[in-house]
Amino acid sequence: TQLLEQSPQFLSIQEGENLTVYCNSSSVFSSLQWYRQEPGEGPVLLVTVVTGGEVKKLKRLTFQFGDARKDSSLHITAAQPGDTGLYLCAGALGGSEKLVFGKGTKLTVNP
Amino acid sequence: GAVVSQHPSRVICKSGTSVKIECRSLDFQATTMFWYRQFPKQSLMLMATSNEGSKATYEQGVEKDKFLINHASLTLSTLTVTSAHPEDSSFYICSACPGGDNQPQHFGDGTRLSIL
Repeated sequence: TQLLEQSPQFLSIQEGENLTVYCNSSSVFSSLQWYRQEPGEGPVLLVTVVTGGEVKKLKRLTFQFGDARKDSSLHITAAQPGDTGLYLCAGALGGSEKLVFGKGTKLTVNP
Repeated sequence: GAVVSQHPSRVICKSGTSVKIECRSLDFQATTMFWYRQFPKQSLMLMATSNEGSKATYEQGVEKDKFLINHASLTLSTLTVTSAHPEDSSFYICSACPGGDNQPQHFGDGTRLSIL
């Protein structure tokens, strides 16, 4: 059983389109991180959300943490080819530094 | 800040060789580091939690005698793949977490291990 369900697993869109990636769980997380990973490299932290209902913006990326801290979403506006990559959500369960990872969303933005 | 360095980035060696991978936190101290394995087109799979000054905690199904972890200082953890075989070929990634509540993990750039 996957503790953190991430969807969609694959997404191929045209430049300029909007998209949303979802991470859902039945567990409550003390914090949730979003990472982006390029092939052959380690994941790079995009954002950490901690408070239920929190919304953070990073240029064209908007991250939201659910009110109950069980789910999160990443919305990208006007996607660009440079946004192509593997997006990973990862939640920290209370009292532990261990992260639970979603399966990842492989995003391809075509010019 | 919060830079994690992993070395080497790529290793190609013969079957039966032992391979050591280093993970260093460059600008912070980390009592805990993590080692992950990633298969092609898949997410990260936690192998073990490396604890400074004590034994590592391994996830279910990970052979501790196969994957030796040493965390000798607050800035360095090593993973040694002993007597590596082709099925050990994978992308290994480490991470470290600065102390404090809700601090995110920061990842190294990974090590591509290829066993011939």
